[in-house]
Amino acid sequence: EAQVTQNPRYLITVTGKKLTVTCSQNMNHEYMSWYRQDPGLGLRQIYYSMNVEVTDKGDVPEGYKVSRKEKRNFPLILESPSPNQTSLYFCASSSLGSSYNEQFFGPGTRLTVL
Amino acid sequence: AQSVTQLDSHVSVSEGTPVLLRCNYSSSYSPSLFWYVQHPNKGLQLLLKYTSAATLVKGINGFEAEFKKSETSFHLTKPSAHMSDAAEYFCVVPRGDKLIFGTGTRLQVFP
Repeated sequence: EAQVTQNPRYLITVTGKKLTVTCSQNMNHEYMSWYRQDPGLGLRQIYYSMNVEVTDKGDVPEGYKVSRKEKRNFPLILESPSPNQTSLYFCASSSLGSSYNEQFFGPGTRLTVL
Repeated sequence: AQSVTQLDSHVSVSEGTPVLLRCNYSSSYSPSLFWYVQHPNKGLQLLLKYTSAATLVKGINGFEAEFKKSETSFHLTKPSAHMSDAAEYFCVVPRGDKLIFGTGTRLQVFP
């Protein structure tokens, strides 16, 4: 089944404790992206990647890191989480290395930073 | 710069009545535009996409949207709401390699 998977689905952590949220897709997509969803703000793009070893900042990259060592994986790293990073996070992928194609979304990761 | 504005944060309709979710875009040219739907506790799913081939776009689950350049609008409609349409809907525009999401419209459907 074609899908985007994220792990963990739920995470409660404390300020300053490094964490990684994994994202993996099995559709051989070039474009992958991370978003955060906050009430009243819709989804905001954190980072995106057009292909392996190519990453770029979205609109809210502060406090986050990403890497794209393999085509299928695009982990999101919070080196020192803070309470304002409490949010619902989505990973997405699409074909042909473009934001103009249909994005396939993962199920989301709900993160709480205490 | 491209952006979208969803005019209603909440819309409530009765089952069987028409649905109208409003989206206005801001762009210096005719953009691509998308509508995505998010059902409770789920990821987002593409409803439909406008790419300038036709101004009336049909999507899944009976939804459609009409691109109106003169009004800079891309409103989402459905003739008859179903209980399963209750969800949050996002109007989206690409900006270069990025995606810009509207703030969302939560649709409630009453029996």
